[in-house]
Formats: sequence, C-alpha cells, structure tokens
Amino acid sequence: DVVMTQSPLSLPVTLGQPASISCRSSQSLVYSDGRTFLHWFQQRPGQSPRRLIYQVSNRDSGVPDRFSGSGSGTDFTLKISRVEAEDVGVYYCMQGTHWPQTFGQGTRLEIK
Amino acid sequence: EVQLVESGGGLVQPGRSLRLSCTTSGFTFVDNTISWFRQAPGKGLEWVCLIRSKTYGGTTDCAASVKGRFTISRDDSKSIAYLQMNSLKTEDTAVYYCTRGDGNWDGHYWGQGTLVTVSS
Repeated sequence: DVVMTQSPLSLPVTLGQPASISCRSSQSLVYSDGRTFLHWFQQRPGQSPRRLIYQVSNRDSGVPDRFSGSGSGTDFTLKISRVEAEDVGVYYCMQGTHWPQTFGQGTRLEIK
Repeated sequence: EVQLVESGGGLVQPGRSLRLSCTTSGFTFVDNTISWFRQAPGKGLEWVCLIRSKTYGGTTDCAASVKGRFTISRDDSKSIAYLQMNSLKTEDTAVYYCTRGDGNWDGHYWGQGTLVTVSS
C-alpha cells in the first residue's frame, strides 16, 4: 500500500497567522491519465470529515479561499493563509491514485 | 441539499453480524459510486468498501482487512446503500461513514457516521 506521511503531526498556530501542512507519498501519485489524485480533508472536533481540496489544488464548494493546495509527484502541501478559530481540527491527506486509497496519519491544528 | 444518513450501528459480540444502511437524498443516487470509510476511536481514517454505479458495472471493492467478511450492496430504487458485516472482530470497532463518490472527483460528501462496537 502507498504510505502517506504528514508533517507536522501537531500544529499550534496564532489566529490570523498562516499554517502549512506537508504530505509525502511513498510512490508518485500521478495516474496514467496524467491526473494526480491527492486530496485534503478537514475533521473538526466531533464532526464528520469534510473534503477541502481534491486533485491537489481544486477547492470544494463552500471552502474558503484561504485554503489552498499545491504539489506534485510525491510532495504536497496544504496552506491556510490566515488561520481562523473555526479551522481547529485534524487535517488528513488522502491518495486515490493507487489501490487501496490511503490516508495520512492526520495533523492536529490548534490555536496557540 | 445532498444528504447521507447512516444507520444500523450498535454493540455486537465478536463473530456476529451487523448490517449498516446509508440512506441518501439530494442527488441522483443511481449515477454515483458510494463508499464506506471508518474511523476507530481516537484514530485516523480508513477506506472500507465501495460500489460503483451500474454504468460502471455496479462492481464492488473492499479493503484487504475486511475482504471476505464485509459485503457492500445498493438498492437504486430506494437510494440506499448497505454494508453487510459478518464475522466481526474487536478491531472492526469504529465509526462508519458512507460517502457519495470515492473521494477522487467533484461532489464528495460524507454522512454523520454510525458507531459500531464489537465487544463481548
């Protein structure tokens, strides 16, 4: 299985400051058709996961534009330009290029 | 509004069976892949099974950890997907979520989850 490694695992951030989460895969996530199936999810405390970004950099409907995704191959990043209180929770990357789909361990974002 | 509502969770003894349901609304169920994911208490996310639409053959796939024990199915006339879980193990204890899609494409939504506890 493809191993997804996130860093850091814990991310204390001051309100209004930027935040960045890294996700690395054990194999390239470029599919045979050229697409890259790397996605980012947010799970707020006590809630279901919600996808924020799909295929590296496409924001899902309703996701604030302070969230952005980038990267290629095996190296990917989720950035939050200015952290707000509602951003507290755990963030997961997920790859859907190789069977089976696999997730990173999660990064817990908290407010300093 | 897209909605997915899981039901059927509960406490069950090891070796027994349970069937989860995913009741959906707000989208054209027949045209969509439905997936199940799970999250053990305090742990991360794990994909469990998926079932494709009839357009893509209605084929199914499950993770190695549940293959041969779990079966996914769908009733397009009722817009409901099911997860039949047999020979349950304590390590199957988790919140089970159903989703529209497999996560790879636009329009991916999650239900609120249903808790399955496998314990004697």
